[in-house]
Amino acid sequence: EVQLVESGGGLVKPGASLKLSCVASGFTFSDYWMSWVRQTPGKTMEWIGDIKYDGSYTNYAPSLKNRFTISRDNAKSTLYLQMSNVRSEDTATYYCTSGEYPGIRGNWFAYWGQGTLVTVSS
Amino acid sequence: DIQMTQSPASLSASLEEIVTITCQPSQDIGNYLSWYQQKPGKSPQLLIHSATSLADGVPSRFSGSRSGTQYSLKINRLQVEDTGIYYCLQGYSAPWTFGGGTKLELK
Repeated sequence: EVQLVESGGGLVKPGASLKLSCVASGFTFSDYWMSWVRQTPGKTMEWIGDIKYDGSYTNYAPSLKNRFTISRDNAKSTLYLQMSNVRSEDTATYYCTSGEYPGIRGNWFAYWGQGTLVTVSS
Repeated sequence: DIQMTQSPASLSASLEEIVTITCQPSQDIGNYLSWYQQKPGKSPQLLIHSATSLADGVPSRFSGSRSGTQYSLKINRLQVEDTGIYYCLQGYSAPWTFGGGTKLELK
């Protein structure tokens, strides 16, 4: 069974940095493209970016690429999202997602974690 | 970025009713359209991918279609467990973009 478990969320002050993690199990993590998606308190969904299965390529939503960095450690089956200079509008639940087929950049998100809540407030 | 206009924003329907939700992209996306259901307090779940393909384990009362440049999600014979928020997503051109969501409630 595919499982994606995010962690690292919490209350952070504006301007701070935060690193989220997503531990994967139930599939060969190193074969799959992975993405981060966030959902605001108002329920708006936003794709943050994705990373190729070998970590050699990343792509980001233009509005976020200067502050957010996606990385992965295939030996630990773990996906990361490094957030810097966070703002109040970054308050959201952050989900890691995976494609459905190995080696292919997914055009849809087959699996989702349970999410981790990040609240940015002074 | 491709904008996804989803309608209606909210919907109240009766048990066993047929429900339709639509998404209109701002440009051609081929069949790179997927639908998700999010139940209260849960993460989204894939319902439909490639505009019309039912995801594994999804009840057959859900279906996706395309008419020209408009995409639709249809729920036949609405059930209690179908309440929640529904989203469309275009996976044609990065950045992938979501519709604004449709909140579906039982009347």
